[in-house]
Amino acid sequence: QVQLEESGGGVVQPGRSRRLSCAASGFTFSAYTVHWVRQAPGKGLEWLAFISHDGGRIIYADSVRDRFTISRDNSKNTLYLQMNSLRGEDTAMYYCVRDGWTSATGSHFDIWGQGTLVTVSS
Amino acid sequence: DIQLTHSPSFLSASVGDRVTITCRASQGLNNYLAWYQQKSGEAPKLLIYGASTLQRGVPSRFSGRGSGTEFTLTISSLQPEDSATYYCQQVNYYPFTFGPGTKVDIK
Repeated sequence: QVQLEESGGGVVQPGRSRRLSCAASGFTFSAYTVHWVRQAPGKGLEWLAFISHDGGRIIYADSVRDRFTISRDNSKNTLYLQMNSLRGEDTAMYYCVRDGWTSATGSHFDIWGQGTLVTVSS
Repeated sequence: DIQLTHSPSFLSASVGDRVTITCRASQGLNNYLAWYQQKSGEAPKLLIYGASTLQRGVPSRFSGRGSGTEFTLTISSLQPEDSATYYCQQVNYYPFTFGPGTKVDIK
């Protein structure tokens, strides 16, 4: 069964760090680009970052560049998001997402994890 | 960054109705647009990609059309389980962006 499972969420104090993990199973993780997307409570979806299948290409949203770092370990089928200098506005559900890219249709987020909730609060 | 707008932002319709949601982009996207459905308390689910390709397993009452800057998602016969928020997403330019969503309610 193809799935992604996030972990690492919880309550974090402002200014502190947190690392999220996403374990992939049921597919060849090393063949796929993956992304992080977040959703603040009651709000819409915000794309955060992407990493290519081999980790050679990474792009961030302006809102998290210089504070968040995306990485992957293909030997462990795991995606990571290191979050530093956390702020109240980073409070959100964080989703890892597989990209089912094709040359004809481009990117599309075909597999989503269930999400892990990060609450930034003192 | 590419801006996406939805219209309407909310709609209420009856079972069996045909409903259409429009997504407009601030720049041309070719056909690089996807649609997602998100039910309350759940992760989003891919419905349509490449503007008009139906994701495997998605009911055929969902369809997508459009190119350039205007795209539509149509539900041909609304069902009770279609109560959700629907988001478009442009994947032509980084940063990828999502529209603000359309909430669909069943009367």
